Amino acid sequence: EVYLVESGGGLIQPGGSLRLSCAASGFTVSSNYMSWVRQASGRGLEWVSVIYSGGSTYYADSVKGRFTISRDTSKNTLYLQMNSLKLEDTAVYYCARGGKYNWNDWGQGTLVTVSS
Amino acid sequence: EVVLTQSPGTLSLSPGERATLSCRASQSVSSSYLAWYQQKPGQAPRLLIYGASSRATGIPDRFSGSGSGTDFTLTISRLEPEDFAVYYCQQYGSSQYTFGQGTKLEIK
Repeated sequence: EVYLVESGGGLIQPGGSLRLSCAASGFTVSSNYMSWVRQASGRGLEWVSVIYSGGSTYYADSVKGRFTISRDTSKNTLYLQMNSLKLEDTAVYYCARGGKYNWNDWGQGTLVTVSS
Repeated sequence: EVVLTQSPGTLSLSPGERATLSCRASQSVSSSYLAWYQQKPGQAPRLLIYGASSRATGIPDRFSGSGSGTDFTLTISRLEPEDFAVYYCQQYGSSQYTFGQGTKLEIK
């Protein structure tokens, strides 16, 4: 059984930093395509970042240069380092696992609130 | 960036009826790269359809996907009470991913 459990969300001031974690079980993170997808309250889904099994990383223009996706093989965990946070980064952040083109498995999400 | 436009924004139907949801892309999308998700309140999205027409594991056969190029459709043949939710289309292209804005399927 595949499980994805996000953590690390919370209340942070604009300009601050936060690191999200996604602990995985039932599969190997480093052998899969792993993404972060976010959803502001009452809004639609927005893809944030992906790390390919080979290690390549890609970002949405809205977070490029501020967010960094990474993984720890020994902990089988995916991360999202978020710097220079803006009000518009407020959202539930989901980690998701899938093939290269879409995502089969999702975590329950962690809420990030950027507010002064 | 490929923009996906879903219509209608809200669809009001009754259980047992047929639902047809549309997803139009601003430029041609490979069928292999088009997916549909269902999301219920307070829950994560669930993959329904990938490759434009292939059902994901465990998805009932009342859900079907079709289309090519810039026009894609999700059809639910006979609505069950649990099908009322928000539906998103999603595409991949050049290591970027975009979602449509969603169609809310509500009970009439």
